[in-house]
Parts: sequence; C-alpha cells; structure tokens
Amino acid sequence: AQSVTQPDIHITVSEGASLELRCNYSYGATPYLFWYVQSPGQGLQLLLKYFSGDTLVQGIKGFEAEFKRSQSSFNLRKPSVHWSDAAEYFCAVADSNYQLIWGAGTKLIIKP
Amino acid sequence: DAGITQSPRHKVTETGTPVTLRCHQTENHRYMYWYRQDPGHGLRLIHYSYGVKDTDKGEVSDGYSVSRSKTEDFLLTLESATSSQTSVYFCAISVAEGGDTQYFGPGTRLTVL
Repeated sequence: AQSVTQPDIHITVSEGASLELRCNYSYGATPYLFWYVQSPGQGLQLLLKYFSGDTLVQGIKGFEAEFKRSQSSFNLRKPSVHWSDAAEYFCAVADSNYQLIWGAGTKLIIKP
Repeated sequence: DAGITQSPRHKVTETGTPVTLRCHQTENHRYMYWYRQDPGHGLRLIHYSYGVKDTDKGEVSDGYSVSRSKTEDFLLTLESATSSQTSVYFCAISVAEGGDTQYFGPGTRLTVL
C-alpha cells in the first residue's frame, strides 16, 4: 500500500536560515507528489507538485522541492525562511486510484 | 481563494445525535472530497464525489454517509455521532482527479461529547 512518511513532527529554525522538510513515500510507479501548507486555523494550500519531467520543482512563496526516485524522497526546501512561514506542512502522494495519501505533517516553528 | 464554504464552522454535539456538515462551492468543480484531520494522522479521506449523485468511499468511511444532489453542495452526515468522530473536517474540490490540485475549505471543528 502507498504511504507517506514525514519523519519530523516539529522543526525549529531561525528566521533567515535555510529550511529542509523531509518526505519519503512508498509507491511502485512514478508518483504524483505534492506539498501543501496549512496556516493555523486555516485550510490547506498547495505549495507545489511533481508529476513528471524536471525533478526540481518550484512553488509559491519561494519554496522548491526535489524528487529523488532512488531515495523515494520529495524534500521541501527554502533558502531563507520568514516568520510568516510558520505553519504545518503536509506531503502527499496520489495513489493508484488517484486519491491523495497524506503524511502526518511537520510543524515549522520560526525563532526570531 | 477558491469559493468553498463550510457550515457550520464549529459544532458541539452529544453522542448518538445525527450531525450534517455542509460544503458549498461556487467553482462548478466536478470532484469534491471530505477529509478528517487528527493530530498525528494528517488528513484521511472519508468520502468523495465525482459528480452529482456519484460518490465513493474513502479510507475512513465507517460511520459516515454523504450526498450530492447538486454540483455545488456536498453533505457529510454522521448518523449517530461518537466521541471518536471528534475532529476537524475539511472539504476539498478539484477540477479533475489523477492528482489535480485540491482546493480546501476553512474546516469545521466538531466536538462530540
């Protein structure tokens, strides 16, 4: 069965520092992969997605993610975080029925 | 923002009572989804719809039913609420499936006492 693992429940970074959030998936074929962000008390918003082609994907708000098939990973990165990036981040993979399987989320805390 | 509203936004109810949550969209999107969000579990799909009167079960459908009589409305019903159904419920819509972007509503926080 398909699954998504986000190993870090919480991550704390200083404002201005770089960020990498990890996502590992289990899926036999070429996956459709997504990163969504959820601000407190809000619904989820798509940051970026990977379907095929270039393995480095650019998203909104200065985020990018790299698909690495050999490592079954789709890590999210940002070179310099802002206090407004504090939120919970979810990785998801579309399964064989084209439904999204979600990771448990990583809560990003920004230190001033 | 996608035109998705959920009602009510907050509800407290007692075990054994029926509860209906409503999702309304103004985008005329074909696909609609109901998820529940619980700490440590991310989002889990309850039911989804691929058209008027066309619905199917998701990962955690037991205890829930849905109806879609109009393109714009997708109702989630808990026939007899239990404390394990205390959660935050999100509706989402998409133009297509197959990994299409899903747009989320603001959520409904349901507490079952």
